[in-house]
Amino acid sequence: TQLLEQSPQFLSIQEGENLTVYCNSSSVFSSLQWYRQEPGEGPVLLVTVVTGGEVKKLKRLTFQFGDARKDSSLHITAAQPGDTGLYLCAGPFGNEKLTFGTGTRLTIIP
Amino acid sequence: DTGVSQNPRHKITKRGQNVTFRCDPISEHNRLYWYRQTLGQGPEFLTYFQNEAQLEKSRLLSDRFSAERPKGSFSTLEIQRTEQGDSAMYLCASSTNRGLGYGYTFGSGTRLTVV
Repeated sequence: TQLLEQSPQFLSIQEGENLTVYCNSSSVFSSLQWYRQEPGEGPVLLVTVVTGGEVKKLKRLTFQFGDARKDSSLHITAAQPGDTGLYLCAGPFGNEKLTFGTGTRLTIIP
Repeated sequence: DTGVSQNPRHKITKRGQNVTFRCDPISEHNRLYWYRQTLGQGPEFLTYFQNEAQLEKSRLLSDRFSAERPKGSFSTLEIQRTEQGDSAMYLCASSTNRGLGYGYTFGSGTRLTVV
């Protein structure tokens, strides 16, 4: 059973467009994290959201944690080719480890 | 701080052979995790250590898999009698004891291909 479902699975858009990807669960999480992974590399932590309804911005990336702490979204404004990668959400399962979502593979076309 | 280091980066092996991977975590991190990732999927938890103690193993970790972290420093993951289904990226991550909210630092992974 996948605890964290991400959508869409694949997304390909033109440079300069905006996009939103989603991370959904039937479980409540104390926090959620977003990672970006480039081919042949390990995931890199982008942000952690902790409070229901929280919004965090990282340059052109806006992360939101749902009020019920069961979902999160990542919005990218004016996408650039450097944003290409696999975006993963992750949440703590118990207190000991993170469980990862299915991932959204994003391709930005120059 | 050189980050999390994994060796080798790539390994091609014949079915039935044994392979061993190494992970050197960030020195002040006392938690170390192993994950497996297949193409296009998110990482799946395999096992984790707090210092030298292996505290949890996933049911994905069959009897052919073993992991160690002697002296709470580097860790090794061994796969015996490899099968084609073992082909994947094996990721190591480390974290502090301050809580999962601080996230993981991942290594670049070891890509295993079983032929």
